[in-house]
Amino acid sequence: IQLTQSPSFLSASVGDRVTITCRASQGISSYLAWYQQKPGTAPNLLIYAASTLQSGVPSRFSGSGSGTEFTLTISSLQPEDFATYYCQQLNSYPYSFGQGTKLEIK
Amino acid sequence: EVQLVQSGAEVKKPGESLKISCKASGYIFTTYWIGWVRQLPGKGLEWMGIIYPGDSDTKYSPSFQGQVTISADKSISTAYLQWSSLKAPDTAMYYCARRNYYYDSGGHKSLDIWGQGTMVTVSS
Repeated sequence: IQLTQSPSFLSASVGDRVTITCRASQGISSYLAWYQQKPGTAPNLLIYAASTLQSGVPSRFSGSGSGTEFTLTISSLQPEDFATYYCQQLNSYPYSFGQGTKLEIK
Repeated sequence: EVQLVQSGAEVKKPGESLKISCKASGYIFTTYWIGWVRQLPGKGLEWMGIIYPGDSDTKYSPSFQGQVTISADKSISTAYLQWSSLKAPDTAMYYCARRNYYYDSGGHKSLDIWGQGTMVTVSS
């Protein structure tokens, strides 16, 4: 299963609302997770089951979607949110990742 | 505290063998799958494979099948990733991660705990 994220790069300002899309090449129900990775660190789980917020993750992060189209939304960007975001499908092996979306400061 | 602690950075020559480790603590090691993820320098995440330490059932990505071996020693709560003959393109950061299974959430899954990563450099 291939996952395609868009956009690959996103430039935004603190306080902006941003949305990242992840499209699957075939239906994966809601077996999708989102991760945030900052330079030099391991990825960190944000959302699983497409829309369930991992414990400790700020509520400005939200996820939605089912089937083949999913979105990650950050309602009001904070300085610490500038990072790279990945989606991952866990519907079937191999548990593929999207290519990533790098969120940069405008 | 639930954590995965990986072995330290490695510098190897092409053709050498290598085994890196991922030690789990704070939970029952044999009841969660452990996956491995590769990240080439400056690139994205790639799923390599996963092992269930309870019975050593292992699944590989077709891209990595035959290129690496994933194993686990439940007596010391440690998972491993190994190469028999390294190549320069194996130079990358390698992460282990625990697969959580949400029984009360329709059987959904995630990689909820990650190791800090092991940098492997292969150079002559």
